[in-house]
Amino acid sequence: KNEVEQSPQNLTAQEGEFITINCSYSVGISALHWLQQHPGGGIVSLFMLSSGKKKHGRLIATINIQEKHSSLHITASHPRDSAVYICAAYSNTGNQFYFGTGTSLTVIP
Amino acid sequence: DVKVTQSSRYLVKRTGEKVFLECVQDMDHENMFWYRQDPGLGLRLIYFSYDVKMKEKGDIPEGYSVSREKKERFSLILESASTNQTSMYLCASSLGGKRTGNTIYFGEGSWLTVV
Repeated sequence: KNEVEQSPQNLTAQEGEFITINCSYSVGISALHWLQQHPGGGIVSLFMLSSGKKKHGRLIATINIQEKHSSLHITASHPRDSAVYICAAYSNTGNQFYFGTGTSLTVIP
Repeated sequence: DVKVTQSSRYLVKRTGEKVFLECVQDMDHENMFWYRQDPGLGLRLIYFSYDVKMKEKGDIPEGYSVSREKKERFSLILESASTNQTSMYLCASSLGGKRTGNTIYFGEGSWLTVV
């Protein structure tokens, strides 16, 4: 049983398209994270959410606590957005992260 | 800039060798984690530590051990490497406890091949 489910697993988009990646979780959380991993391994944190919506440049993250669902949106996608996007739930019992298996995004010029 | 540093980026080891993967963070974080990442399986927790000398098993601890003698350093040990431990290993750290909004910081990853 996966505590965090992401969809889609793979996504190919044309440059300029609007992209949505979805994340559902089943555990109680204190925060939901969206992470980005480029080829080569390094993972960086994009957003940390406990409610509502956050925006950073062309990236928008939303969370619905009642429905236990979060989305990551990319507006006007660009080839440099090509990466794996990972949803991670930080447990409200403390000290544990639960990860989705990631969404591999390829943006074609 | 906050930093999690993993000692080795690429390693090739022989079956049966003892392997040490070192991780150091400079943010005075309580929590440190070791994950392995395999295609299609995502990040799986091997061990984590919430304080010096404290450790908790994660989802896949078999074949691994850890050591945390100092707050900034968390070591992963493969006592006798096997080919099914070929993987990418990621170290991470975060503030501890039940604080809301504990950002997690990752190292660059260590690619281990066991032959």
